[in-house]
Amino acid sequence: DADVTQTPRNRITKTGKRIMLECSQTKGHDRMYWYRQDPGLGLQLIYYSFDVKDINKGEISDGYSVSRQAQAKFSLSLESAIPNQTALYFCATSDKLRAEQFFGPGTRLTVL
Amino acid sequence: GQNIDQPTEMTATEGAIVQINCTYQTSGFNGLFWYQQHAGEAPTFLSYNVLDGLEEKGRFSSFLSRSKGYSYLLLKELQMKDSASYLCAVRVLPRSNDYKLSFGAGTTVTVRA
Repeated sequence: DADVTQTPRNRITKTGKRIMLECSQTKGHDRMYWYRQDPGLGLQLIYYSFDVKDINKGEISDGYSVSRQAQAKFSLSLESAIPNQTALYFCATSDKLRAEQFFGPGTRLTVL
Repeated sequence: GQNIDQPTEMTATEGAIVQINCTYQTSGFNGLFWYQQHAGEAPTFLSYNVLDGLEEKGRFSSFLSRSKGYSYLLLKELQMKDSASYLCAVRVLPRSNDYKLSFGAGTTVTVRA
């Protein structure tokens, strides 16, 4: 079974709709991250959380919000989706001791 | 912010060696990662350098020079399955007990028979 899972894997929606992307992990890590990836731009950090009560904005948080419901769950919301939020979204986890981040399989989001 | 540069594309022949360079300008540097990402898939960890020098792991090696803000990933005995994007990522420590990764745009390596 995958250690980091994301749902949905693919989503097509319309401008103005509210969308939630979910991430769950069984690795027992306390740190979780949301990234988006666009062709030619690499991975950009949206939000990150070092524990349930610690939420931090990343480089491109405008238009996004997050919720850390439990140590194992970290959700990303787009309150009112717009076409330039079309991208591949990755969730990642890490623990305090090791610097390595483990990535989920990604969610491909298309906003029409 | 962080400035991380790596070539966009590289092509090499099966069995050959390819070196992917990464240069960075950053404050609070606390280590450099290399990740491999096949098209449409998640990035997977390859290597981590925090001290100067060469780290070898099988066919892959990674080098770091902190004074020069420079790293490279060396892929030896290339195989077709090595065709992928290779991401350079810098770990920064903006505040005590806090770190995050900044990624380069990635280098797409194509291995030809």
